[in-house]
Amino acid sequence: GAVVSQHPSRVICKSGTSVKIECRSLDFQATTMFWYRQFPKQSLMLMATSNEGSKATYEQGVEKDKFLINHASLTLSTLTVTSAHPEDSSFYICSAPQQGLYGYTFGSGTRLTVV
Amino acid sequence: TQLLEQSPQFLSIQEGENLTVYCNSSSVFSSLQWYRQEPGEGPVLLVTVVTGGEVKKLKRLTFQFGDARKDSSLHITAAQPGDTGLYLCAAGANNFNKFYFGSGTKLNVKP
Repeated sequence: GAVVSQHPSRVICKSGTSVKIECRSLDFQATTMFWYRQFPKQSLMLMATSNEGSKATYEQGVEKDKFLINHASLTLSTLTVTSAHPEDSSFYICSAPQQGLYGYTFGSGTRLTVV
Repeated sequence: TQLLEQSPQFLSIQEGENLTVYCNSSSVFSSLQWYRQEPGEGPVLLVTVVTGGEVKKLKRLTFQFGDARKDSSLHITAAQPGDTGLYLCAAGANNFNKFYFGSGTKLNVKP
C-alpha cells in the first residue's frame, strides 16, 4: 500500500536553531501534503496544506515565517521549524491523500523537543 | 473553534463494558473517517463512511454516519484493554484541500 516516510522520528535541538522535517511518498505521487502538530493528550491540529509547485496554505494562527513548508516535488514535502523555542516542542505528523480514493496515508511522526 | 467536536473527551471504563463515542459538526461531509492512535505513533485508519445513514461493523466496533452526513458515532461492544487509545474522527473537503481531525476521545479500558 501507499507509504509516507517521515524523518527524523525524534529530534532534540537547542533554542534558536532550525529543524527540518521531511515527508516522502514512496510509491505514489503526493500533490498535496497536510502537516499537523499534536500536543500531549490532544488531537491533531492542521497547521498547513502544501501543494506541489505552489505556496502552502496555512491555517489561522499558524506563523508561515516560522513554519516554512516546501513541496518541491511530487514525492517530497518538508516542514522547517525556524528559530525553535521550547513551546514548539510537539509531535509533528504529515499526511497525504490518495487521489481518487478516500484514504489518507500518514507519516510516522516526528517528536521535536526544543531545549 | 473545532470543526469536528467529539464527546466524551475522556472515557475510563472496565473491561467488558460497552461505550459510544460521538463526532458532531455543523458541516456536511462527503465522507468521514475514524482513526485510533497510540502514543508516539501516527493514527491508524479504522473505517471510512460515505453514505448518509451508513452503518459499518468491524468486529466489536460499529460505526454509523448520520443521515445528514454531519455526524457519526463509534460504538464498542465488550471493550477490552487492547482498545485503549485515542480515537479520532476526521473529515476532509471534496477536493482534498483540507483534512481535519476531531477533538479526540481518550479511551482507557481497565482490566
